[in-house]
Amino acid sequence: DAGVTQSPTHLIKTRGQHVTLRCSPISGHKSVSWYQQVLGQGPQFIFQYYEKEERGRGNFPDRFSARQFPNYSSELNVNALLLGDSALYLCASSLLIDTGELFFGEGSRLTVL
Amino acid sequence: AQTVTQSQPEMSVQEAETVTLSCTYDTSESDYYLFWYKQPPSRQMILVIRQEAYKQQNATENRFSVNFQKAAKSFSLKISDSQLGDAAMYFCAYTGYSTLTFGKGTMLLVSP
Repeated sequence: DAGVTQSPTHLIKTRGQHVTLRCSPISGHKSVSWYQQVLGQGPQFIFQYYEKEERGRGNFPDRFSARQFPNYSSELNVNALLLGDSALYLCASSLLIDTGELFFGEGSRLTVL
Repeated sequence: AQTVTQSQPEMSVQEAETVTLSCTYDTSESDYYLFWYKQPPSRQMILVIRQEAYKQQNATENRFSVNFQKAAKSFSLKISDSQLGDAAMYFCAYTGYSTLTFGKGTMLLVSP
């Protein structure tokens, strides 16, 4: 069975640009979460979606947005990129909501120059 | 707000030895889950073990076990018979039936 897949795996952007990251959950999983992991730190929660509705949002500016599609895949969008947005962006899916048992993708490594 | 603290940035262990990684957390809730996740270099994060706070019995998964001290808000991970493949960043995480809060991680080095 396919695990959580994310694309692209690596990308380089310049300040002010926008980026779209994509995630496909494990088949049957209806919950998708996004995390930002800065080098040397633990992942920080950005968004959680369940059944296409936003169920949680972390302490991130409005430049960050996300959505979940009818097939439960998800996109994370970041506008007006800053140098500090450079990080590994992790997508995780889960069968149930709120239990914390997440299945992670390999992440999208974003570098902002 | 819940916080998770891992006070050991790095730990070293020799193959076949035992190592314990520490984690403390802060919460006012009585029911919650605790986790240890493993993140190997350039590979995806995977769940190692989970503990439900209402269960007094410590969770075990093969060579991995936890020491859960609810009153002390402590949740340590013991790895027995360490193997080279155990080398990774280990994250302690907490959820009170909402989102997952991670600690900063402990890098585990395993030497032959």
